[in-house]
Amino acid sequence: DVKVTQSSRYLVKRTGEKVFLECVQDMDHENMFWYRQDPGLGLRLIYFSYDVKMKEKGDIPEGYSVSREKKERFSLILESASTNQTSMYLCASSFHPGLADYEQYFGPGTRLTVT
Amino acid sequence: AQRVTQPEKLLSVFKGAPVELKCNYSYSGSPELFWYVQYSRQRLQLLLRHISRESIKGFTADLNKGETSFHLKKPFAQEEDSAMYYCALSFGSASKIIFGSGTRLSIRP
Repeated sequence: DVKVTQSSRYLVKRTGEKVFLECVQDMDHENMFWYRQDPGLGLRLIYFSYDVKMKEKGDIPEGYSVSREKKERFSLILESASTNQTSMYLCASSFHPGLADYEQYFGPGTRLTVT
Repeated sequence: AQRVTQPEKLLSVFKGAPVELKCNYSYSGSPELFWYVQYSRQRLQLLLRHISRESIKGFTADLNKGETSFHLKKPFAQEEDSAMYYCALSFGSASKIIFGSGTRLSIRP
């Protein structure tokens, strides 16, 4: 059973703070993703990674950065949080090398509020 | 550019009535399409994918390449079907997925 965990369910930060959101998966998946989920906008891809130390920008990377030092861990960093980054953040992982399956498995989400 | 469109933000039907959640896509290649679902207080999860051609929880979805659609259907809605549904399109070497804006399905008793 795939397990994707996120470090916090709820987070409240002040404008200008540096924020770290952590995601860990235990299924040896190659790909990891960070999305934000907003009502009426669906899920929008922020960044993704297809290998350790590799990353690619998604559709809305501005104001965010990521880090993938180990295969199982993918971190999202808000360098200087702003109120328009208040949102639900979802992490996902996919693709084990031995399986031809790109289903994405999601974490429970982190609801971030920036005040 | 790739795009997934779900025209309905909210769909409300009575229990036992048929359900159809609409999804249209834009992609020049061979599409791989999915429906994901998020029940209240649960994580987002895969409901079904077009290549498997299976029925999950009574739901089916047929890929219509001519109309570029992948509508989700169920003949008789149940209260436990109330959830947020996202249509998604997979493409590219790292299997990026783009999601539609979602449709909230509400089943009235």
